[in-house]
Amino acid sequence: GQNIDQPTEMTATEGAIVQINCTYQTSGFNGLFWYQQHAGEAPTFLSYNVLDGLEEKGRFSSFLSRSKGYSYLLLKELQMKDSASYLCAPRGDSGGYQKVTFGTGTKLQVIP
Amino acid sequence: GAGVSQSPSNKVTEKGKDVELRCDPISGHTALYWYRQSLGQGLEFLIYFQGNSAPDKSGLPSDRFSAERTGGSVSTLTIQRTQQEDSAVYLCASSSRQGEVRETQYFGPGTRLLVL
Repeated sequence: GQNIDQPTEMTATEGAIVQINCTYQTSGFNGLFWYQQHAGEAPTFLSYNVLDGLEEKGRFSSFLSRSKGYSYLLLKELQMKDSASYLCAPRGDSGGYQKVTFGTGTKLQVIP
Repeated sequence: GAGVSQSPSNKVTEKGKDVELRCDPISGHTALYWYRQSLGQGLEFLIYFQGNSAPDKSGLPSDRFSAERTGGSVSTLTIQRTQQEDSAVYLCASSSRQGEVRETQYFGPGTRLLVL
């Protein structure tokens, strides 16, 4: 099975940097995804990590430490449009299948 | 279209009625997932299909829920004898490489189901 823990809500200021943490306990771990979900919309893919370290993609970066069961999503130069929920989703064994399991998400509010 | 489509976009039904939700995955995607998301909650896995393999039904909450995928493409999720607690957004996602490490799921817009 899988346990995923991430903060429920965060607030940050426009132009600032915010780090959203995620810890997980996943058997057969095989990579971790971050998805963004704006209110009333479907999730969209942001990033993927399978090896330890930092993956950078524009204003967004994602970090993974497999030994610690820990990941974070780093958002730089925050914009108002970044207000959304951010879902941590590790891939591993669940119910006898390898699949991705989504956390409950961190609702980020960007304020002026 | 190039994306995952779902229909209807909204459905209001009375308690006890059956409903069918439809998902058209991205052409060529072999894997298809159904999730449920209640207001303010995370994604709850329901079921997935991969090619001709037996579907993973481990997330279906009760025997009132069933799903099928015809011809390896379109899928329907059926909820029988709906209950008020079934009210949620039902999301469908497809991917091209289920089982491969870098599988990325693409989500449809969802069906918002309200059971009165």
